[in-house]
Amino acid sequence: DAGVIQSPRHEVTEMGQEVTLRCKPISGHNSLFWYRQTMMRGLELLIYFNNNVPIDDSGMPEDRFSAKMPNASFSTLKIQPSEPRDSAVYFCASSQGSNQPQHFGDGTRLSIL
Amino acid sequence: EDQVTQSPEALRLQEGESSSLNCSYTVSGLRGLFWYRQDPGKGPEFLFTLYSAGEEKEKERLKATLTKKESFLHITAPKPEDSATYLCAVLGNTDKLIFGTGTRLQVFP
Repeated sequence: DAGVIQSPRHEVTEMGQEVTLRCKPISGHNSLFWYRQTMMRGLELLIYFNNNVPIDDSGMPEDRFSAKMPNASFSTLKIQPSEPRDSAVYFCASSQGSNQPQHFGDGTRLSIL
Repeated sequence: EDQVTQSPEALRLQEGESSSLNCSYTVSGLRGLFWYRQDPGKGPEFLFTLYSAGEEKEKERLKATLTKKESFLHITAPKPEDSATYLCAVLGNTDKLIFGTGTRLQVFP
């Protein structure tokens, strides 16, 4: 079975550029989550969707961050404009419900120069 | 506020030397406690879910236990391939999974 698929795996870009991260959840999963992982703060939830609807975006650090889920098989996380402090590993996860185990992709390592 | 504290931060074991990892938590209305394994450059891999105090789950050399305040991940006769970071997370009434910062385990042959 295919797991959660994220792209790109690595992204290096200059400050001020727009960055778009992509995620394909596991088929049949109705909850999708975006996390950010850093050495200092560990794994932090940014936003999550149930049935393609954003439920809680209180973890989104600033208005520069936005996320969409246009259908059950695709989600994007966009940063515009990007800043060096956005450098981190961004993970997408999906589950069959809010209290079911979340399954993670292998992440996008983002470096903003 | 829901909170998870893991200890120790790092653990070095000789192959075959059993030990335990601790996850202490405070949460309003525990709906589940989750253990994950994370290898370098990879996403967290789900291991176990525990739902109520007294519950235990086992998988190969790993055994997870749960009380009302903490969970333990017991590793029996570890092998070098068990080396990874182990993450604990709790789900409460907020509907958000709160992660600890992990225990980095190294097992030497």
